[in-house]
Amino acid sequence: GAGVSQSPSNKVTEKGKDVELRCDPISGHTALYWYRQSLGQGLEFLIYFQGNSAPDKSGLPSDRFSAERTGGSVSTLTIQRTQQEDSAVYLCASSFTSGGQETQYFGPGTRLLVL
Amino acid sequence: AQSVTQLGSHVSVSEGALVLLRCNYSSSVPPYLFWYVQYPNQGLQLLLKYTTGATLVKGINGFEAEFKKSETSFHLTKPSAHMSDAAEYFCAVSDNGGGSYIPTFGRGTSLIVHP
Repeated sequence: GAGVSQSPSNKVTEKGKDVELRCDPISGHTALYWYRQSLGQGLEFLIYFQGNSAPDKSGLPSDRFSAERTGGSVSTLTIQRTQQEDSAVYLCASSFTSGGQETQYFGPGTRLLVL
Repeated sequence: AQSVTQLGSHVSVSEGALVLLRCNYSSSVPPYLFWYVQYPNQGLQLLLKYTTGATLVKGINGFEAEFKKSETSFHLTKPSAHMSDAAEYFCAVSDNGGGSYIPTFGRGTSLIVHP
């Protein structure tokens, strides 16, 4: 079946503009994660959605970042008033839990460049 | 609290040589451990994972890793490197179900394979 998809694949924007990044998880996956991957860095956790529970926003770096997940499926990560330091690859992953074990499946990422 | 240390941001091997990518973790609870591979311009793909049971875990593409609790390590190995193995490799740790499953990733190791 289809994997996790993300759009756009690349985004170039000007400092101060808002951007929206979209993630379509694998159908039936109840959990969805957003990560940020900066050059030479590991993955930085941003936000986690699990079913209908309140999202874990503990990784969001500032109040310019927000995310929502509509209908337990598609998620949108919004960055307001973008800064150059927001330039990174934004990765989305969805997962299911079976027998107490979870496996994440990652999308290809959105490469954001803020000029 | 949990953390992951990947020793060496770059590892260079000759084609046919042994691949060893090091990962040490810290976790206050028994961990789940993962290795992911990221090919250029792609998302992360799960190579293998350790949850419980056998400490030697076999994954895709001939890779395997051994969980050594006494050494808090989960090093990734492959007996014979192929050119196609050149990629970025990430080790990750999450707690074993007592928390939110949010994994912590290492900074990654870039594997370079020479002809």
